[in-house]
Amino acid sequence: QKEVEQNSGPLSVPEGAIASLNCTYSDRGSQSFFWYRQYSGKSPELIMSIYSNGDKEDGRFTAQLNKASQYVSLLIRDSQPSDSATYLCAVRPRGFQGAQKLVFGQGTRLTINP
Amino acid sequence: DAGVTQSPTHLIKTRGQQVTLRCSPKSGHDTVSWYQQALGQGPQFIFQYYEEEERQRGNFPDRFSGHQFPNYSSELNVNALLLGDSALYLCASRLGGQGANEAFFGQGTRLTVV
Repeated sequence: QKEVEQNSGPLSVPEGAIASLNCTYSDRGSQSFFWYRQYSGKSPELIMSIYSNGDKEDGRFTAQLNKASQYVSLLIRDSQPSDSATYLCAVRPRGFQGAQKLVFGQGTRLTINP
Repeated sequence: DAGVTQSPTHLIKTRGQQVTLRCSPKSGHDTVSWYQQALGQGPQFIFQYYEEEERQRGNFPDRFSGHQFPNYSSELNVNALLLGDSALYLCASRLGGQGANEAFFGQGTRLTVV
């Protein structure tokens, strides 16, 4: 079992619709969860972080965390063509003090169709 | 406020050679991590530096080594390059210590081994 799993896609969504991206993780003790957006040929850009169960909203983005189900999701409302990118789910597993290791899923490629 | 900067942006090396990649963290950050991202995959953790010491290491051979300087900048060295070392190398910085601090990536160094 991979530590962090995402559907690789591609996921195709019409402009203006809601895009839903999902991620599961294996380390039940994980405490920190992140979503990064990566445009082709560029580096990952942090768009959301979430640390406790429930929803966290930032503009058109909502991150959802369910630790009991070991599940993280990202919703993008009113999808725009500029949202077309690969979305990486990252988890910081439990570890010793100061540990920074992030474990990434393989990414989901999202395409927004005008 | 300068973000994370990496140099060079692109590099071509011959199999068996050695390479050094450089990273300057975001202002105020003291912890640097390095990741390797192969095409179509999520980033893989190489190691983390804090207070000039390697604090955590991923599943990479000893050919991969690093260093952190007193100004928090960091280098990644790879010896005896293999064709399989061709990848995007990413540096991420954060504020160290305990806590769920977010990590920010530099633009990456694209290494091609021929």
